[in-house]
Amino acid sequence: GAVVSQHPSWVICKSGTSVKIECRSLDFQATTMFWYRQFPKQSLMLMATSNEGSKATYEQGVEKDKFLINHASLTLSTLTVTSAHPEDSSFYICSARSQTNYGYTFGSGTRLTVV
Amino acid sequence: GENVEQHPSTLSVQEGDSAVIKCTYSDSASNYFPWYKQELGKRPQLIIDIRSNVGEKKDQRIAVTLNKTAKHFSLHITETQPEDSAVYFCAASWLGGGADGLTFGKGTHLIIQP
Repeated sequence: GAVVSQHPSWVICKSGTSVKIECRSLDFQATTMFWYRQFPKQSLMLMATSNEGSKATYEQGVEKDKFLINHASLTLSTLTVTSAHPEDSSFYICSARSQTNYGYTFGSGTRLTVV
Repeated sequence: GENVEQHPSTLSVQEGDSAVIKCTYSDSASNYFPWYKQELGKRPQLIIDIRSNVGEKKDQRIAVTLNKTAKHFSLHITETQPEDSAVYFCAASWLGGGADGLTFGKGTHLIIQP
């Protein structure tokens, strides 16, 4: 079945630094990638949607200059959290769609802790 | 945009009994309604889904019903077992040639009492 590999699974960074999270579709072409954020004991909230080769579309309230999304190829999308602050500490998870696959395929998630 | 309401937030049932979780959605354009089970720190795991052209779908102990007119859908788990204990999320989206992102409900913490 469809697999999305997400790295790193966890990361601790200092306040003010940037962190890059990668999601790779291993056996299908991810024409669309969705990025979600989940705070402890809360639901998943859609942050942005990216289509391969296009600029990402951000949900209301999500700063596009802070959360940089790149989807330059059909198998790789990255989320960079720039100038991270403690309030950015969260579980970030990607989800991919293709033209042929049914439903959404989730990555394994990245636990970001900013200290 | 889409808004998904989920109830209850916590549900405790005796092992062997049935559990029902309910969700409502606001956008009549939504046509895809999945249910996910999530364990702490893990990715959501799809347990069942339903498209808007179907009223009910069943997979062993799990079933989902959809009422498009009322814009609500429900998850039914029968003969609950301890391993069913988890957080369950409903979600809604539009799937077509392209796709919207999923809008999730707030989740239900299901506790199976032995």
